[in-house]
Amino acid sequence: AQTVTQSQPEMSVQEAETVTLSCTYDTSESNYYLFWYKQPPSRQMILVIRQEAYKQQNATENRFSVNFQKAAKSFSLKISDSQLGDTAMYFCAFMKPSTGGSQGNLIFGKGTKLSVKP
Amino acid sequence: GAVVSQHPSRVICKSGTSVKIECRSLDFQATTMFWYRQFPKQSLMLMATSNEGSKATYEQGVEKDKFLINHASLTLSTLTVTSAHPEDSSFYICSAPTGFAGQPQHFGDGTRLSIL
Repeated sequence: AQTVTQSQPEMSVQEAETVTLSCTYDTSESNYYLFWYKQPPSRQMILVIRQEAYKQQNATENRFSVNFQKAAKSFSLKISDSQLGDTAMYFCAFMKPSTGGSQGNLIFGKGTKLSVKP
Repeated sequence: GAVVSQHPSRVICKSGTSVKIECRSLDFQATTMFWYRQFPKQSLMLMATSNEGSKATYEQGVEKDKFLINHASLTLSTLTVTSAHPEDSSFYICSAPTGFAGQPQHFGDGTRLSIL
């Protein structure tokens, strides 16, 4: 079974600074997908970034980037130029394709509560 | 983009009541939908996979008779919490994949259920 571990329950960062959230996972699959989701106090689940395991290039979305290390099974999220609106819970998630190539369910880590301080 | 609508967003009811939560894909068809439960300050845990035209698949430890799932059409899945008790109070959220492997799933806004 796949597991996702986020070892930092809480983190804080000053506005405009950079912060990195850690995520490791365990799987015997070779093809899978990794995600970071943001959950603000409204509890909406907002996709931050997505990575395909077969792509070596790290995904980037504006101020958000990942450091994907497949051999180490590590998938950290870097937030540059942190903004007050980045304050939220951040969940790392793993997904493998289900039978037939369609989407399987997401397996989430326990989350990291990020606070951006003015 | 694809949108998933989940209703109601908030429910407060007495113990023993059954509560139905709807998850609807608004502009795409979803043969599969996922139901998650989230306790306060915890992660999302998969409860069950809802399959259109067939029975739902429940995760270990989830009571099938307590959490009834019906995937009535290609755009609607419902979760009914039967004879709810205070321990069923939680945040329930659904998601629907768009059908393409690896593409992000679309989440509803969640339902906060409080049983008095």
